[in-house]
Amino acid sequence: KQEVTQIPAALSVPEGENLVLNCSFTDSAIYNLQWFRQDPGKGLTSLLLIQSSQREQTSGRLNASLDKSSGRSTLYIAASQPGDSATYLCAAPSGSARQLTFGSGTQLTVLP
Amino acid sequence: GAVVSQHPSRVICKSGTSVKIECRSLDFQATTMFWYRQFPKKSLMLMATSNEGSKATYEQGVEKDKFLINHASLTLSTLTVTSAHPEDSSFYICSASLAGGLQETQYFGPGTRLLVL
Repeated sequence: KQEVTQIPAALSVPEGENLVLNCSFTDSAIYNLQWFRQDPGKGLTSLLLIQSSQREQTSGRLNASLDKSSGRSTLYIAASQPGDSATYLCAAPSGSARQLTFGSGTQLTVLP
Repeated sequence: GAVVSQHPSRVICKSGTSVKIECRSLDFQATTMFWYRQFPKKSLMLMATSNEGSKATYEQGVEKDKFLINHASLTLSTLTVTSAHPEDSSFYICSASLAGGLQETQYFGPGTRLLVL
């Protein structure tokens, strides 16, 4: 059964800093991994989807990497802004199954 | 593209009543939809997988008679919380699957917040 862990649980940084969010998963037989953003009381916004054949994906100031062999993924946010404040969730499929297992999230606060 | 909607966005009901939540894929056909619930400050937990035209598959610990799922068309799945109780208060989120195999991507709805008094 897939287990997904995210560290840290919460992070507070001043505006402009570069930061890294970590995600680890136990079952490395995944075909992709996704990063999501969730604002308070809202649904999920998909940020990046990394296929198993890729090592990283970039979208604007966001860069996500995937290392299947070590069971890790990182989300790098460059030049953070107050608008980046949200909870960031990573999710991995449960092996060959299609269901997603979510981590508990990292609550990010970017201080102006 | 790939937009998923949920209705209602928020519902308050009395204990003992039933509540129906709709999940629609607006611009694509989804053979599979997933239902999740999220408690405050917790992550999403999969409740069930809904396949069009067949019975839903429930995760361990989820009561199928309490959480009725119907997936009658390729664009609509409904979740009915029967005889709701305060402990059912939660944020319910659906997702719809586009394509299959290695390219499968789930697109998430905006969620429905249920409060049972």
